[in-house]
Amino acid sequence: QLQLQESGPGLVKPSETLSLTCTVSGGSISSSNYYWGWIRQPPGKGLEWIANMYYSGSTYYNPSLKSRVTISVDTSKNQFSLQLSSVTAADTAVYYCARLVGVLTGHFDYWGQGTLVTVSS
Amino acid sequence: EIVLTQSPVTLSLSPGERATLSCRASQSISSYLTWYQQKPGQAPRLLIYDASNRATGIPARFSGSGSGTDFTLTISSLEPEDFAVYYCQQRSNWITFGQGTRLEIK
Repeated sequence: QLQLQESGPGLVKPSETLSLTCTVSGGSISSSNYYWGWIRQPPGKGLEWIANMYYSGSTYYNPSLKSRVTISVDTSKNQFSLQLSSVTAADTAVYYCARLVGVLTGHFDYWGQGTLVTVSS
Repeated sequence: EIVLTQSPVTLSLSPGERATLSCRASQSISSYLTWYQQKPGQAPRLLIYDASNRATGIPARFSGSGSGTDFTLTISSLEPEDFAVYYCQQRSNWITFGQGTRLEIK
């Protein structure tokens, strides 16, 4: 059974960079059939897609966040990561990693449990 | 950006009743529409993809229909565990989500 687990600081200061890692177990991140993505959800609000990537490094970003987002992959650790720079309180959210069925875009069939990141001084 | 509008915002029904949730796209997205269920404190769960395909392990009481701009998620007979928030998502142009429909017990 595929499992994804987000990890990283739960508190980030305004203007700093948010960094999260997603560890994939029960399957290979290098599978040719899937992309991997990040989605976030502010408390009490809806879902917002952040970015997707392929294990080879191909990436696809939400245009509204593209200038601040970097995603990367470490196939040796079966992990992929998210960095979001210049954060503000508006970036406070539960951040999910997920597996994407599709090429560049698609639907998410496996999700991590999510990790709450609060932006506050 | 393709905007997805879900209606109603809240739907109050009783167990055993039929639920009909709507998702309307701001432009045609063919059949590239996905439905998720989310319960409090949990990650979203994939229900339906490509408008009408049930995901693995999803009960047959869940069905999806539609194409173009208008889509429907139907739950034929509500079980107690079905009360949750439902989101639609399109993959035609980037990825966007609807704002959600809360299905609550009447």
